[in-house]
Amino acid sequence: AQKVTQAQTEISVVEKEDVTLDCVYETRDTTYYLFWYKQPPSGELVFLIRRNSFDEQNEISGRYSWNFQKSTSSFNFTITASQVVDSAVYFCALSLEGETSGSRLTFGEGTQLTVNP
Amino acid sequence: GAVVSQHPSRVICKSGTSVKIECRSLDFQATTMFWYRQFPKQSLMLMATSNEGSKATYEQGVEKDKFLINHASLTLSTLTVTSAHPEDSSFYICSARGTGVAYEQYFGPGTRLTVT
Repeated sequence: AQKVTQAQTEISVVEKEDVTLDCVYETRDTTYYLFWYKQPPSGELVFLIRRNSFDEQNEISGRYSWNFQKSTSSFNFTITASQVVDSAVYFCALSLEGETSGSRLTFGEGTQLTVNP
Repeated sequence: GAVVSQHPSRVICKSGTSVKIECRSLDFQATTMFWYRQFPKQSLMLMATSNEGSKATYEQGVEKDKFLINHASLTLSTLTVTSAHPEDSSFYICSARGTGVAYEQYFGPGTRLTVT
């Protein structure tokens, strides 16, 4: 069975601080996909990134960056120079390849990020 | 990107009544749709997976007779909460997977159900 753990339930920072959201996953499959989603107060999930298990390159997109390390089964997400608009719940998720799994997503518990002005 | 809509966005119903929630893929054909439930301050929990033209597959602990899922076309899946009770009050989110690569899944904006 798959499992995603986001140990940080809540994080509070002051605007312009950098913040890292941790994500640790468990799976026995060698082919899988990792995701990060943002859920603002409106509730709609916003897709941030998808990574497949064969691509360990870190990625940067504006103020967002992701560090994928298979050795530690982690897929951490860093926001640099945080802004108030970054306040939301962030979910890490895992999906397996293959028709049997149907691409079902296993979500972590989420991290509530609050950025204070 | 692909767009998924849900209707209604909010619904309030009385205990004992049934509520239908629609999930539509607007610009792509969805062979598989997923229904999630999210309670306040909790994560998304998969309720069921539906494939067009076949019966839905329910997760353990989800009552299939209470949560009726119909995926009659490649662009529409419906979730009917039958004989709703206050404990069914939750945020229901659907997602749709296209006919392309296995991992692409697009989420709807969610439906907030309140049962009084």
